[in-house]
Amino acid sequence: SQQGEEDPQALSIQEGENATMNCSYKTSINNLQWYRQNSGRGLVHLILIRSNEREKHSGRLRVTLDTSKKSSSLLITASRAADTASYFCATDEAAGNKLTFGGGTRVLVKP
Amino acid sequence: GAVVSQHPSWVICKSGTSVKIECRSLDFQATTMFWYRQFPKQSLMLMATSNEGSKATYEQGVEKDKFLINHASLTLSTLTVTSAHPEDSSFYICSAPRGGVGEQFFGPGTRLTVL
Repeated sequence: SQQGEEDPQALSIQEGENATMNCSYKTSINNLQWYRQNSGRGLVHLILIRSNEREKHSGRLRVTLDTSKKSSSLLITASRAADTASYFCATDEAAGNKLTFGGGTRVLVKP
Repeated sequence: GAVVSQHPSWVICKSGTSVKIECRSLDFQATTMFWYRQFPKQSLMLMATSNEGSKATYEQGVEKDKFLINHASLTLSTLTVTSAHPEDSSFYICSAPRGGVGEQFFGPGTRLTVL
């Protein structure tokens, strides 16, 4: 069963705007990861945040983690048309590298 | 970054036939690999954990006799869909972690269509 729920399921924005998506999960985690998937392709790792971290940045990406609320958010700033993709959060519960994925957010960035 | 390949990238087969999908870690060794399936516009569902030198661990509801997994070496895991039926049509993706706990590297996926 899915560990995480992502919100929103779909997001449509104009180029240059920020995109924010949220992920909630149910159990204790070792780390939470965000991945990107272009249509019909494999997944690309974006960022990993450990359970003892609260915020992490990578380029135009900002990820927050609130373990008390069992939630995480991914912010993409100054979006580009090339950011159009599906974004998934995934939780690693037991440090065994076994990931459980959220439902994903489909992001459309219009030029 | 690390590279994981899958072969074939797509396959079309007749109902009742078996299909083998390969997952290779090209520049690192992987004692563990993971197999997922993904239906259109849905998320990835973990099917099984492939362990080098031992039996695969299957997730609840996944038939081990239908989805045969063999982790033949430290760089190769295979998934065989036996007696495939149209409902097995899906996108199958493998992944492998490199080193300790952390990010995983995903293959490009295999699109299986069963007629």
